[in-house]
Amino acid sequence: GQNIDQPTEMTATEGAIVQINCTYQTSGFNGLFWYQQHAGEAPTFLSYNVLDGLEEKGRFSSFLSRSKGYSYLLLKELQMKDSASYLCAVREGNNYQLIWGAGTKLIIKP
Amino acid sequence: DVKVTQSSRYLVKRTGEKVFLECVQDMDHENMFWYRQDPGLGLRLIYFSYDVKMKEKGDIPEGYSVSREKKERFSLILESASTNQTSMYLCASSAGQGGYGYTFGSGTRLTVV
Repeated sequence: GQNIDQPTEMTATEGAIVQINCTYQTSGFNGLFWYQQHAGEAPTFLSYNVLDGLEEKGRFSSFLSRSKGYSYLLLKELQMKDSASYLCAVREGNNYQLIWGAGTKLIIKP
Repeated sequence: DVKVTQSSRYLVKRTGEKVFLECVQDMDHENMFWYRQDPGLGLRLIYFSYDVKMKEKGDIPEGYSVSREKKERFSLILESASTNQTSMYLCASSAGQGGYGYTFGSGTRLTVV
């Protein structure tokens, strides 16, 4: 069946690096998305991976290993504004809808 | 700036009322979605639509219906609101298939009393 797992909560220090993991079990994998959601706001798109490897976008990078059913989001030089929930989502085949993880709440401490 | 607009940010309704949540997108996207988000449960799909007048049930359609008469507008209807429908409701749209992510509206926090 479909399953996406992420840690519920993580804590990191301002200026440091944090890695948020996402593992998935789906059939017909066709892409993985990361979204950021600040409290009380809508999720916003961060990254998309469909092939194995690392996608870098400024302070944020996302990695995918399809054979392992595994992705991570790497946040560097953490800032207080990075305190948010980070959602992992997977597309199966040609489905219109995404399958969502429950999200990881990231707390940044000074 | 492209947008998905939800008609209300906060809404308080009484049990048994019929509730309409409106969502409009200006990106000419084919696909539109309604989710509810509750603490610890993540995003749960209620209904989605991939074309005008087309609708598909998501994971939790009970107690809800939808309408898509025009491409840009997707409405969620709570036929008879109940307290367990108190939640954050998020509308999203996307273009076609493949590597197209969602664009979300700002959400409607609905409280049913």
